[in-house]
Amino acid sequence: DGGITQSPKYLFRKEGQNVTLSCEQNLNHDAMYWYRQDPGQGLRLIYYSQIVNDFQKGDIAEGYSVSREKKESFPLTVTSAQKNPTAFYLCASNRAQEAFFGQGTRLTVV
Amino acid sequence: AQSVSQHNHHVILSEAASLELGCNYSYGGTVNLFWYVQYPGQHLQLLLKYFSGDPLVKGIKGFEAEFIKSKFSFNLRKPSVQWSDTAEYFCAVNARGSNSGYALNFGKGTSLLVT
Repeated sequence: DGGITQSPKYLFRKEGQNVTLSCEQNLNHDAMYWYRQDPGQGLRLIYYSQIVNDFQKGDIAEGYSVSREKKESFPLTVTSAQKNPTAFYLCASNRAQEAFFGQGTRLTVV
Repeated sequence: AQSVSQHNHHVILSEAASLELGCNYSYGGTVNLFWYVQYPGQHLQLLLKYFSGDPLVKGIKGFEAEFIKSKFSFNLRKPSVQWSDTAEYFCAVNARGSNSGYALNFGKGTSLLVT
């Protein structure tokens, strides 16, 4: 089935370590996005990419980095500079102005 | 600045009660409007969307929403809720012709508990 796959579902890391969250899609969509979800905050845009080898910062990009070397893949790295990294992270792609979401990765930094 | 506001953060209803969740947005141009639902432990699902045409849109599971352009609103309604509607509901907007690649701007969500 076509869709967006995020892995792993749960991730634990020690404070100060960088961690990379995976997002893969087989929908052949050009645009991909990363959102962060916190209780009572809704979803906030971290980074987005409209085409391979191009990406832009969203509203809360500080402490995060991304790459888009392949159309199918848009990994997100949470760096040690992110002050409050514990959150639920959602990846999405877009076609015809409509977003399709993965199941999310819950990151806990201890 | 562009923003999306959901008026009710927590709503508690009895089964069979009617539901209306408010959503207002502030955008200068033409927008696409969405309602998403997140059931406990599950991923985000699209309930309904509005791009153009009839401002009353029907979605899955008996939900509907009305776009009122003059009020910048897109309220979600359901005539009779069920226990299985317990979930978090998000209103979202993207702007046509924007330079953000149709990235969604979300409200903070409304947590609905049906008892």
